Amino acid sequence: EPEVTQTPSHQVTQMGQEVILRCVPISNHLYFYWYRQILGQKVEFLVSFYNNEISEKSEIFDDRFSVERPDGSNFTLKIRSTKLEDSAMYFCASRGTSGSAPEQFFGPGTRLTVL
Amino acid sequence: AQSVTQLDSQVPVFEEAPVELRCNYSSSVSVYLFWYVQYPNQGLQLLLKYLSGSTLVESINGFEAEFNKSQTSFHLRKPSVHISDTAEYFCAVRRGGATNKLIFGTGTLLAVQP
Repeated sequence: EPEVTQTPSHQVTQMGQEVILRCVPISNHLYFYWYRQILGQKVEFLVSFYNNEISEKSEIFDDRFSVERPDGSNFTLKIRSTKLEDSAMYFCASRGTSGSAPEQFFGPGTRLTVL
Repeated sequence: AQSVTQLDSQVPVFEEAPVELRCNYSSSVSVYLFWYVQYPNQGLQLLLKYLSGSTLVESINGFEAEFNKSQTSFHLRKPSVHISDTAEYFCAVRRGGATNKLIFGTGTLLAVQP
């Protein structure tokens, strides 16, 4: 069964550094998402991406954040100048094109720790 | 604005007992509703969904949820739980139309005890 994959599973970085979180969505999906979950809190929407551009973003997604689909398979989240409060589990998700199938399929997550 | 409320942060229950995890949403427009499950140290897995049609939806592992428009609820139930059902359960809503994002509740930890 196709699934969303994410690498790395755990990323540790120093405050102020840049990180890139990688995702491989399900192959025939066209809508892509990033969410995050701070430890003990709810899952929060960050950004959605369709047709090579951002379709929606939250207030969390400030100018330190960017997304890219550099090739036909990867979908990346870059965080520049990381802060302590960026520490969280980051989930990638993808969705198919059919209007009758609006569910999003999630990857296993990348745990980002900013020291 | 949409929101999702899961009133119970933790629900302890004995094995083979029934359980209900509550979810209420607020939205003035039609919505899609979902339950996701997160097993320890794993990602989010779709458990079941309500899109339209029958208000009672079922999953393959015995869970069911009922969409109640008048009460704006989408409670999750299982008549007999197993130890393996121990996990965090998240209710989520997505508005129909152009908006893509899922709005999640705070989650309910189902702790099944032997």
